[in-house]
Amino acid sequence: SQQGEEDPQALSIQEGENATMNCSYKTSINNLQWYRQNSGRGLVHLILIRSNEREKHSGRLRVTLDTSKKSSSLLITASRAADTASYFCATETSGSRLTFGEGTQLTVNP
Amino acid sequence: GEEVAQTPKHLVRGEGQKAKLYCAPIKGHSYVFWYQQVLKNEFKFLISFQNENVFDETGMPKERFSAKCLPNSPCSLEIQATKLEDSAVYFCASNLGGFGTEAFFGQGTRLTVV
Repeated sequence: SQQGEEDPQALSIQEGENATMNCSYKTSINNLQWYRQNSGRGLVHLILIRSNEREKHSGRLRVTLDTSKKSSSLLITASRAADTASYFCATETSGSRLTFGEGTQLTVNP
Repeated sequence: GEEVAQTPKHLVRGEGQKAKLYCAPIKGHSYVFWYQQVLKNEFKFLISFQNENVFDETGMPKERFSAKCLPNSPCSLEIQATKLEDSAVYFCASNLGGFGTEAFFGQGTRLTVV
């Protein structure tokens, strides 16, 4: 079964709005990472949050991690049409192996 | 190179034929990973290498899938006797290794088995 479950599966917003995506996982982790995938392309690393961190920022991205609830959220502020993509959370356990969630398809309408 | 290079971009094989996919990791990266993505979601881990040694192969369907990373050659993923359910995009990734290091992904090879 999938380690991570993401919700919503799909999200459609207007440019300028904020987008929030959630991810839940099942096992203990060393860190959690968020990746973006544009249609037909590979994954691009966005941000990593370690298990002893609760919140992290990078530009318009804000990630939170709640290890007691085994959940994380990714917030994209002031969204742009170029943010349209699928977003995946991934947990790293042993040997740098990543276990991915099922992804959230974000559409930002101009 | 500065990016993970995967070839070919697209591969079409008849059921039962062999498919071979290639990946050149970023120079200096010790770890190479193969993932399978079916239906635009669900990335499934297949195998990882530390340099030329298999590090974790727990995701590999052992009967028909094999992979190698030999010195001075691109890494390869080979599927013998392909089946319809092997149709997917296969991604290669590399990183420096160790916890918390960013993985760099290639653009993927789309395998279609007909």
